[in-house]
Amino acid sequence: GIQVEQSPPDLILQEGANSTLRCNFSDSVNNLQWFHQNPWGQLINLFYIPSGTKQNGRLSATTVATERYSLLYISSSQTTDSGVYFCAVFTGGGNKLTFGTGTQLKVEL
Amino acid sequence: NAGVMQNPRHLVRRRGQEARLRCSPMKGHSHVYWYRQLPEEGLKFMVYLQKENIIDESGMPKERFSAEFPKEGPSILRIQQVVRGDSAAYFCASSPSGTGYTFGSGTRLTVV
Repeated sequence: GIQVEQSPPDLILQEGANSTLRCNFSDSVNNLQWFHQNPWGQLINLFYIPSGTKQNGRLSATTVATERYSLLYISSSQTTDSGVYFCAVFTGGGNKLTFGTGTQLKVEL
Repeated sequence: NAGVMQNPRHLVRRRGQEARLRCSPMKGHSHVYWYRQLPEEGLKFMVYLQKENIIDESGMPKERFSAEFPKEGPSILRIQQVVRGDSAAYFCASSPSGTGYTFGSGTRLTVV
């Protein structure tokens, strides 16, 4: 099956810093989503982004499907950004998500 | 719109008991998915259902696990004769048309 790798696996930032999270996938995909799992375990949908670039406040995402990667940018990070960031790709008929390995982010004061 | 509602949030069961996890999709969403997250891991697909139909259950363990999405009421994930290895967070998601998921807050199952 498809492999979804994320980097870095762990990241510690000082509040206010910027960061880029990467998601590589091993095969063609129908679509891609980025999620934030907060420290309480809730999964928050950040972006549904098959290609191109989207922005939502301090977050933006870019997917280059032909090169099989997606990037999530976090600017001016805040402590509330802490948690695990997952990318997940839709495969096959487009109804099943395969999750990446996750990036554990900690933002410190 | 209340989002995807899962209950209970936390569930403790003794080994050998049954666990029933419920999921009410967002209004207007007819596609429901169940995922399991083991500690320190990502989410793994279990099953995809539409009203009264199981579309894809390729991620479901062959024994003890079943899922349904009846015409009326929530989707139910049922685990019979639970074992300690079933301890995990179980997430439900819904979508209107098969893409663009919204996840619920999950049910944390602990088997003691």
